[in-house]
Amino acid sequence: DAGVIQSPRHEVTEMGQEVTLRCKPISGHNSLFWYRQTMMRGLELLIYFNNNVPIDDSGMPEDRFSAKMPNASFSTLKIQPSEPRDSAVYFCASSTGRSYEQYFGPGTRLTVT
Amino acid sequence: GQQLNQSPQSMFIQEGEDVSMNCTSSSIFNTWLWYKQDPGEGPVLLIALYKAGELTSNGRLTAQFGITRKDSFLNISASIPSDVGIYFCAGQLLTGANSKLTFGKGITLSVRP
Repeated sequence: DAGVIQSPRHEVTEMGQEVTLRCKPISGHNSLFWYRQTMMRGLELLIYFNNNVPIDDSGMPEDRFSAKMPNASFSTLKIQPSEPRDSAVYFCASSTGRSYEQYFGPGTRLTVT
Repeated sequence: GQQLNQSPQSMFIQEGEDVSMNCTSSSIFNTWLWYKQDPGEGPVLLIALYKAGELTSNGRLTAQFGITRKDSFLNISASIPSDVGIYFCAGQLLTGANSKLTFGKGITLSVRP
């Protein structure tokens, strides 16, 4: 069975550009989580969805960040405009919602120059 | 916010040795999870614990949910080179009303051949 799929795996962009990260959760999972990982701050939860509805976006750093989940099999995290301090690895994870066991994708390494 | 404490930040052991890692908190947790992250990959779920006092094994890995619900440990027996990686603990708060997990900062394990 396919795990969580993320694309792209690597993204290099210039400051000010729009960045869109994509995630396909595990089929049948109805909770989806976006995390950011840096050396300084570790794993931070940005936002999570339950049944395609955003439940908690308190971790979203600022208005430049937005996330959508138009259907059960797809979510996007958008940064507009991007800044160098957004450089990090962004992970998507999914779970069944009845369990706290989250399964992570391989991540997108974002570099903003 | 709530924090899970993992220390030390790094551990160095000889191949074949056993190693134990702790995760502690000042808050009570409902669920404890242990993840391993290899370089360039997302965290992979190793063990999930749901009851205080529960002891669960997964091959050479054994984890326990502390009686006080404020701690958990992971033990790796007879370490091998592929055990190298970052080990994270994660927990779901007793008072948490949703599926959010709190993550520790991780322990980087090095295994000398």
